[in-house]
This record gives sequence, structure tokens and C-alpha cells, in this order.
Amino acid sequence: GAVVSQHPSRVICKSGTSVKIECRSLDFQATTMFWYRQFPKQSLMLMATSNEGSKATYEQGVEKDKFLINHASLTLSTLTVTSAHPEDSSFYICSATSAGTGVDQPQHFGDGTRLSIL
Amino acid sequence: SQKIEQNSEALNIQEGKTATLTCNYTNYSPAYLQWYRQDPGRGPVFLLLIRENEKEKRKERLKVTFDTTLKQSLFHITASQPADSATYLCALPGGYQKVTFGIGTKLQVIP
Repeated sequence: GAVVSQHPSRVICKSGTSVKIECRSLDFQATTMFWYRQFPKQSLMLMATSNEGSKATYEQGVEKDKFLINHASLTLSTLTVTSAHPEDSSFYICSATSAGTGVDQPQHFGDGTRLSIL
Repeated sequence: SQKIEQNSEALNIQEGKTATLTCNYTNYSPAYLQWYRQDPGRGPVFLLLIRENEKEKRKERLKVTFDTTLKQSLFHITASQPADSATYLCALPGGYQKVTFGIGTKLQVIP
């Protein structure tokens, strides 16, 4: 149980392109989803917290107009990297926690999206 | 500021031995601590959670300890196997259902 699917797994595109990444909880309802970015040999850095039906909460230093997050249903959150540039190239990973669970519940992660901007 | 330290150097051990990974933290009083496994190019997978009032937690060949005085958690894998080779991340609470991850320690089990 607790499967999170992330799509696409890899994207290569030109500078200036907008890229949408989908994160779906397949067998549970996710009231909260998280978006992370991971650079090589670095830890996962939280970008934003996404709650179903409300605006995402962004971490300090993350541009909300650059990284658009939509959490329209209990099973789907999307991250759109707008006007992507080479410095946005990274490994983007989403995670989700189950609805109604406590503060210390584990996060269930997708398999990430490798974004490469040329 | 809050800081999580994991040995970012790779840990190489012989198959069958016990691997011990360390997670130290400063400027924290966490109510719990989590351990995850991450394989290359994949998302992390949750392994174990230990709460502040628990000294030790076990799951099959895994054992986690939590010393709030030393501000340290140890993660042990007994009878290690090559399939255990991965990066292991510790994570501490960073807000409601949020966690902050350490950089992780890469474990290589040599056959």
C-alpha cells in the first residue's frame, strides 16, 4: 500500500520551456503532498507543502511564481516549472502523507523526475 | 540553527557484518526521528520511526537507537547483504508532517 506515482521520470527540454510534473497517490488519499529538489550529492531540500484545495506553502527562497503547485484533488498534485533555465536542472521528488494521520507519519515518495534544461 | 549531520563519506563493509550508521543533530529537541533508504535515481523509502521516549526500535535485520542526551541516532543493519547497498537518510521533524533530511550515508556491502 501507500504507492505514489510520479510522471514523467525524465524530461529534457530547451531553456524557456515550462515543464509540468504530476504526483499521484494511487491507493490512498493524500491531504498533504510535499515537493523536494535534490542536487547531486546533496540532501533533499523541501520546496513547498501542498494541501488539497488550498494554496501551497513555499519554503524560504523558493519562488512561487517560478514553481507553480496545484493540488486539485486528494490524489493529485502538480508542479510546473515555468520558463525553465539550466540552473533549474535537478531531481524533483514528490511525497505524500495519508489523510487523517498524525504529525509523525512517514512520507511516501514518488520515484522522482530528472529535469535537464539545455 | 538546526543541523543534522550524517557521515557523507561512503561506508564499505563486508557481507555478513553489521553496518552502523550515525545521525547527529544540534539545536533540536525532536519528538521523533525517521530513517529512509534511497537508491540511485529513486525516491526515498521509509524504513523506521523512533519516538523520543523509545530507546530502541527493531524491524527484521534493522535496529535504530535514539539517545536524546547525546543527540544521536544509530542505525544498524545486521547480517548485511549486497542488496542493502544504498544511501540511508535520517530525517527529523520540521513542522506538521514536515521533515528535514540529512545528507545521507552511502553504504556499500561488499560480497
